[in-house]
Amino acid sequence: EAGVTQFPSHSVIEKGQTVTLRCDPISGHDNLYWYRRVMGKEIKFLLHFVKESKQDESGMPNNRFLAERTGGTYSTLKVQPAELEDSGVYFCASSQAPPGTGEKLFFGSGTQLSVL
Amino acid sequence: KQEVTQIPAALSVPEGENLVLNCSFTDSAIYNLQWFRQDPGKGLTSLLLIQSSQREQTSGRLNASLDKSSGRSTLYIAASQPGDSATYLCAVVEYGNKLVFGAGTILRVKS
Repeated sequence: EAGVTQFPSHSVIEKGQTVTLRCDPISGHDNLYWYRRVMGKEIKFLLHFVKESKQDESGMPNNRFLAERTGGTYSTLKVQPAELEDSGVYFCASSQAPPGTGEKLFFGSGTQLSVL
Repeated sequence: KQEVTQIPAALSVPEGENLVLNCSFTDSAIYNLQWFRQDPGKGLTSLLLIQSSQREQTSGRLNASLDKSSGRSTLYIAASQPGDSATYLCAVVEYGNKLVFGAGTILRVKS
């Protein structure tokens, strides 16, 4: 069974440019999450999809970030325009049921984003 | 606001030693607590999940305990091996289904 796939694995862009990160969850997982770790900080929640609907986007830092999950399959996270403080590792995770039910999350390897 | 703290930040031990990693959290209103392992350049791998009503979980050489009332969890690794070297992360699952992570403990097991 394929795991959670994220690409690109690394992205280096200049301040003001746009970057789109993609996540392919495990097949059949309705729940998809985005988390990120910025330099020197803990991994923080960004948002949670159930199928194509945003269940919780309270962790999104500002309106420069836009997440979509069209058709309830893969998800994209767009940062436009990127700022220096957006640099970090962006993780995607998926699960069949929400973690509060005791279901384990499966994480991708992350996208290392560097904004210069 | 939930805060998760992990101690120590880094740990280096000789192969074969038993060791304990500590995790504390400030708000006991949690669904469960999870321990993850992260290898360099890789994603997080779930090791153990303890429901809020449970006291401990075991998997092989790993044992995790949870004392919800005091806001503490420990991860015990028996007979450590060089392959155990990784970053270990503790996360609590709050109502709302978000994981709140600690900063992690970097473990190095020397052969």
